[in-house]
Amino acid sequence: QLVLTQSPSASASLGASVTVTCTLSSGYTSYAIAWHQQQPEKGPRYLMRINSDGTYSTGDGIPDRFSGSRSGAERYLTISGVQSEDEADYYCQSYDSGTQVFGGGTKVTVL
Amino acid sequence: EAELVESGGGLVQPGRSLRLSCRTYGFRFADYAMAWVRQAPGKGLEWLSFIRSKAHSGAAEHAASVKGRFTISRDDSTGIAYLQMNSLKTEDTGVYYCARDSLECTDARCRGYHYYYMDVWGKGATVTVSS
Repeated sequence: QLVLTQSPSASASLGASVTVTCTLSSGYTSYAIAWHQQQPEKGPRYLMRINSDGTYSTGDGIPDRFSGSRSGAERYLTISGVQSEDEADYYCQSYDSGTQVFGGGTKVTVL
Repeated sequence: EAELVESGGGLVQPGRSLRLSCRTYGFRFADYAMAWVRQAPGKGLEWLSFIRSKAHSGAAEHAASVKGRFTISRDDSTGIAYLQMNSLKTEDTGVYYCARDSLECTDARCRGYHYYYMDVWGKGATVTVSS
């Protein structure tokens, strides 16, 4: 079955870069995913999708400091020039055969 | 601009029922699948249910954790999605989010690889199941 694995936490200094990783389970390594951001005490917000060919497409109004990429089973969300408002939980999400799945989430702390 | 507004949350006793509504604005509701996602206190996001657009069968799917107790439905004439929740348990407590589910296909008829991704979210409705 499709399982998405994320590290629980990541951190970066203000203005630096941080990369969050989502790993797809075996047999699903070519699948597309989406990334969502959840700031403290707020609902989720769609950031981008990373297609099966590795190209990514961001949602409306998402700053260009957010980018996506892939390597094998891993899908990456990179924040370049981290801002204080980027401190949040980040979730990857994917789909297979009628089932939608979230990763466990990664808490990004801005130092 | 697309917007989703959930309603119908509240305090309910174990074993009782509740129906959540998701009112939509700013997009053609009938063209999209819709999903429900919940978040238990201090936990991550959990997908519950989604319903396809009628152009893609209109069929619904539910997570194993709620199958047989929760039912998603849609009314294309009013642009509202619903989540009927029966036999509620204390572990159903959490914030329930409605999301628009966009479909991406790799071929014109969507017969090959395709996937859904949630690209618009509501602010959520709180459900507390407690005696």
